[in-house]
Amino acid sequence: QLQLQESGPGLVKPSETLSLICNVSGGSISSTGYYWGWIRQPPGKGLEWIGSIYYTGSTYYNPSRKSRVTISVETSKNQFSLKLSSVTAADTAIYYCARHESTAPGGYIFDHWGQGTLVTVSS
Amino acid sequence: DIQMTQSPSSLSASVGDRVTITCRASLGISSWLAWYQQKPGKAPKLLIYAASSLQSGVPSRFSGSGSGTDFTLTVSSLQPEDFATYYCQHSNIFPITFGQGTRLEVK
Repeated sequence: QLQLQESGPGLVKPSETLSLICNVSGGSISSTGYYWGWIRQPPGKGLEWIGSIYYTGSTYYNPSRKSRVTISVETSKNQFSLKLSSVTAADTAIYYCARHESTAPGGYIFDHWGQGTLVTVSS
Repeated sequence: DIQMTQSPSSLSASVGDRVTITCRASLGISSWLAWYQQKPGKAPKLLIYAASSLQSGVPSRFSGSGSGTDFTLTVSSLQPEDFATYYCQHSNIFPITFGQGTRLEVK
């Protein structure tokens, strides 16, 4: 059974870089037909897609965050990571990693999610 | 970017009620629409994809319909475990966007 697990600091200082890792188990991150993505949710608010990566390294980012976001994949460790630079309090959120398909029948649907990790930006 | 707008933002209902949530896309997306359920403290759960296909393991009281720009999620007979927040998401192109969510509460 595929499982995803986020890890990383729960507290980041303003202007610093938020770094998270998503470990994938029960399946290969190199499986064709799947992207690996990051989604965040500020406390009490809705879902925002941050970006996605294919195992080959191809990335797609939310244009509103693109200048600060880097997503990378390490296939040998079966994990992918998120870096968000120059964070502010507005980046405080629960960060989820998730898998989504790349083709039909559903398109980019998130069928497996990590449990999420709360990252607070505060000095 | 394709904007997804849900209505209502919140909804009060009782066990056994039939409820419908609407999602509108700013551009036509054919049937590239998914619905998720999120309970407090949990990750979202995929309910429906391709506008009307039920994800494996999801109860048949959930159904989806629509194409183009207008979509609906219907729960035919609410159960206690269905009180949650529901999100739509277009699934055809990047950037991926979600609706703002509909909170389904106990009346």
